[in-house]
Amino acid sequence: QKEVEQNSGPLSVPEGAIASLNCTYSDRGSQSFFWYRQYSGKSPELIMSIYSNGDKEDGRFTAQLNKASQYVSLLIRDSQPSDSATYLCAVLGTYSGGGADGLTFGKGTHLIIQP
Amino acid sequence: GAVVSQHPSRVICKSGTSVKIECRSLDFQATTMFWYRQFPKQSLMLMATSNEGSKATYEQGVEKDKFLINHASLTLSTLTVTSAHPEDSSFYICSARATSGGAINFGPGTRLLVL
Repeated sequence: QKEVEQNSGPLSVPEGAIASLNCTYSDRGSQSFFWYRQYSGKSPELIMSIYSNGDKEDGRFTAQLNKASQYVSLLIRDSQPSDSATYLCAVLGTYSGGGADGLTFGKGTHLIIQP
Repeated sequence: GAVVSQHPSRVICKSGTSVKIECRSLDFQATTMFWYRQFPKQSLMLMATSNEGSKATYEQGVEKDKFLINHASLTLSTLTVTSAHPEDSSFYICSARATSGGAINFGPGTRLLVL
């Protein structure tokens, strides 16, 4: 069974600071990693994808991947109140049903940006 | 691009009735679509993988006779909750990946309430 672990939080960060979200995964063979943002009552929205070791930057967001440590993180710079949401880490792999690749999600980290 | 729609966005039904939820890829073709369910304050759980032109693959613990999936074309998958009961009340979200690859995009979700 593939597992993705996240600290559920809440993680409280002052406005303008850097928010750091962490995720570990169990399947060493996983190759694709995603961060989704989910507002309450809404479906997830893709923020970042990362496939190789190192950092990937997109605007205020930076995803970091370390496959040796089976660890992926998301940094949000200059945090804004609108960044307050649940952030889901997702790993792409095969499922127990034997179907095509789907996503295994962590339980999500609830991020609160304090004005 | 890569927009996924769902219909209806919200449905209320009586216990024992069947409810059909549609998932469409609007501007791309999706050989594979995924159906997730999310209960309050919990993460998304994959229910089944829907493959165009073939039978869906269900995750362990998901009743295939209760949750009927039809993927009749490259842009449409339907999930029918048969003989719905109050415990089926949840947020149902579909996702799809283009046949050309890339990230997985989510539909806006369907909130089902069974009375």
